[in-house]
Amino acid sequence: EDQVTQSPEALRLQEGESSSLNCSYTVSGLRGLFWYRQDPGKGPEFLFTLYSAGEEKEKERLKATLTKKESFLHITAPKPEDSATYLCAVQVFTNKLIFGTGTLLAVQP
Amino acid sequence: DTAVSQTPKYLVTQMGNDKSIKCEQNLGHDTMYWYKQDSKKFLKIMFSYNNKELIINETVPNRFSPKSPDKAHLNLHINSLELGDSAVYFCASSKDPNQPQHFGDGTRLSIL
Repeated sequence: EDQVTQSPEALRLQEGESSSLNCSYTVSGLRGLFWYRQDPGKGPEFLFTLYSAGEEKEKERLKATLTKKESFLHITAPKPEDSATYLCAVQVFTNKLIFGTGTLLAVQP
Repeated sequence: DTAVSQTPKYLVTQMGNDKSIKCEQNLGHDTMYWYKQDSKKFLKIMFSYNNKELIINETVPNRFSPKSPDKAHLNLHINSLELGDSAVYFCASSKDPNQPQHFGDGTRLSIL
């Protein structure tokens, strides 16, 4: 069965303290891996798409990487405004997106 | 200005009632989706339409019926509401089924 697992479930960082979020997946066929950010009371906001192992994408303090079994979202010198739930989703060959349960990130000033 | 808009934002109703949620996108996208997010924040696909044609239909009770009158609209009608239907329902759209999806801000459905 296709499965996407994110860890940790929750992460508390001090402002400026870099860290990484993990998304591991076991799926029958990977078309792409997506990272989203979700703020309370809002819909997920698209961040990155990764298609093949070794690929990396960057946006401001965020960098996403992909291997054959997992993806990492690296957060460098986070700020309080980076606090949100980060969702990983894998697109399989049926075009369906399978989401992980997310990592709730809190960045304290 | 809103790219994907859903109405209503909140829906409180009694068990057994029938209700509809509307979704409209002004992005010119061909593909639209409905997701359900449960109390544990797990987001799961329910339906997807591409050019008004149903392409994804997950294991969802047949009390749920999507309707796409045109490419910019995808509505969700729910019959005989049950307590377990309480959740946040998100609409999304994308240029095509392989492109990133853009989400609305959700409709919080509460069943009394």
